[in-house]
Amino acid sequence: NAGVMQNPRHLVRRRGQEARLRCSPMKGHSHVYWYRQLPEEGLKFMVYLQKENIIDESGMPKERFSAEFPKEGPSILRIQQVVRGDSAAYFCASSPLPGGYEQYFGPGTRLTVT
Amino acid sequence: GIQVEQSPPDLILQEGANSTLRCNFSDSVNNLQWFHQNPWGQLINLFYIPSGTKQNGRLSATTVATERYSLLYISSSQTTDSGVYFCAVEPGIQGAQKLVFGQGTRLTINP
Repeated sequence: NAGVMQNPRHLVRRRGQEARLRCSPMKGHSHVYWYRQLPEEGLKFMVYLQKENIIDESGMPKERFSAEFPKEGPSILRIQQVVRGDSAAYFCASSPLPGGYEQYFGPGTRLTVT
Repeated sequence: GIQVEQSPPDLILQEGANSTLRCNFSDSVNNLQWFHQNPWGQLINLFYIPSGTKQNGRLSATTVATERYSLLYISSSQTTDSGVYFCAVEPGIQGAQKLVFGQGTRLTINP
């Protein structure tokens, strides 16, 4: 059973460009979570999605960030008009059910904004 | 919101030593997980342990949910154990599926 897949593993963008981060959950998991780790900091929750629904986006910055989890295909975290402060590691996790179940993490995407 | 505190923030040991890492949380939880982030940045699931005790090789963990703390034990440390250890909890509030992470314990094992 393959684990959570994220791609790309490393992404370099110039200021003002768009960044698209992809996450494929574990087989059979329909709950996806995105977390961000700024340099030298812990991980912070961004958004929780089920297929075709955003359940909790309380950790998402209000502007430039969006997330989706379509019926088919991976979950996408999109950052428009990136700035240097967006440089971070972005981790995706999945679980089979919500509420108290183990979350399995992917290897992360390291975004560098130049 | 719930507070998660880990101690100590830094720990430097010689190879072969044992260590205990602590995680305190301020409210009831549905889930507690321990992770190891290695020097390459990969986040590795160690334990899913909302209560009770589990062991996996040289590592073991205990969570006492009623007293709101969890302990991670590492025995006979190896240099590959170096990295940052995170505790993360899911608050017991209904609908709060997100994990809240502590600030981590940075463990350095010297040969």
